[in-house]
Amino acid sequence: DIEVTQSPDSLAVSLGERATINCKSSQNVLYSSNSKNYLGWYQQKPGQPPRLLIYWASTRESGVPDRFSGSGSGTDFTLTISSLQAEDVAVYYCQQYYSTPWTFGQGTKVEIK
Amino acid sequence: QVQLQESGPGLVKPSETLSLTCTVSGGSINNYYWSWIRQSPGKGLEWIGYIYYSGNTNYNPSLKSRVTISVDTSKNQFSLKLNSVTAADTAVYYCARHKPPGFDFWGQGILVTVSS
Repeated sequence: DIEVTQSPDSLAVSLGERATINCKSSQNVLYSSNSKNYLGWYQQKPGQPPRLLIYWASTRESGVPDRFSGSGSGTDFTLTISSLQAEDVAVYYCQQYYSTPWTFGQGTKVEIK
Repeated sequence: QVQLQESGPGLVKPSETLSLTCTVSGGSINNYYWSWIRQSPGKGLEWIGYIYYSGNTNYNPSLKSRVTISVDTSKNQFSLKLNSVTAADTAVYYCARHKPPGFDFWGQGILVTVSS
């Protein structure tokens, strides 16, 4: 199984400031045949299912604000919220879909400082 | 807009079978992969398995011996059966559509508690 590890487990950021979440996979998730990283990012608010934010490591899902961005390749990835808004308080998960069993990171809780 | 809704018992006794159904509305079940995912405090988000509309399945090896996922395209539904449950199977169970790449539509989730 590909293990996915996020850091930090939680972070507190002031409104309008940048939030950065890291995700590391135990194996490469870059498919050489199409040069795509099989990694996504999700946002989960209390009492709600996860919401897909980013796929192919850096492509925003339709309707996702452009303050959310994803970067990285191979085994190391980052989700950045460029200017934290109150509605961004949530738990964020990365997930690899390079190989089954598809696996999620443990989650990073983002709060307002 | 595609919507998914989980249904089934919220309480299952130990050693019995957990059975859930996901009803898809607002779109066809055809041509997509459909997954079950669960979330418990102890283990976070865990992918259980998927079924393609044609019936092909892929299960998480950690649960494979106990899991069956099936599809009924005529009803736009797919189902999960997990047998020989224990307290460790207590979780919120989600159904979701996997449009490679990523789970783009999710049900609201159903809490299933395993207890006598």
